[in-house]
Amino acid sequence: EIVLTQSPTTMAASPGEKVTLNCLASSSVSYMNWYQQKSGASPKLWIYGTSNLASGVPNRFSGSGSGTSYSLTISSMEAEDVATYYCLQLSSYPNTFGAGTKLELK
Amino acid sequence: EVQLVESGGGLVQPGRSMKLSCAASGFTFSNYGMAWVRQAPTKGLEWVATISYDGSSTYYRDSVKGRFTISRDNAKSTLYLQMNSLRSEDTATYYCTRRYVYYGLGVMDAWGQGASVTVSS
Repeated sequence: EIVLTQSPTTMAASPGEKVTLNCLASSSVSYMNWYQQKSGASPKLWIYGTSNLASGVPNRFSGSGSGTSYSLTISSMEAEDVATYYCLQLSSYPNTFGAGTKLELK
Repeated sequence: EVQLVESGGGLVQPGRSMKLSCAASGFTFSNYGMAWVRQAPTKGLEWVATISYDGSSTYYRDSVKGRFTISRDNAKSTLYLQMNSLRSEDTATYYCTRRYVYYGLGVMDAWGQGASVTVSS
């Protein structure tokens, strides 16, 4: 099973600040997907295929990485970005999620 | 508009069974793989099972293998999750998701609102 380790677990960012969330895989994966989940809501696809923004996602978000190391970056933090972000690998079964990074506003 | 609506959740005693349904609309259900993902209270997301577009292939996480069965009825555009021998650790919100491959990239794009399952005596 491929274990995904997300860091940091929790972070607080100020409006306008650049934010980077990390996802480290225990074995190499071909690509990574990211999901945003706000409190009390269902997860939403945010980034797929490592770097492709899902429909409606603001272009201040970007994704990058390869092999075992992936990241989601927000170029300029906004209040609406407060949420928990999960990475997901679909390269092999069992599919696995990271434990999530909770992003808060400072 | 793509819609996935789960139903069938509730309170169930340990060792008993429960069946979740997911009614799909807004897309050609028979063209897509589907999956169940769960989230225990205050915890993260956990993949449970996946079924191919025609039902010929199924995949499960180890902890539910032999107890849960994912199935689908393409004529009714409905996905199911039969859960037997339920345990307290199966307590979670269960999400139905659409899964497909886009230029070789797997994606779970649409998600339902979730069905709450509580396993307790």
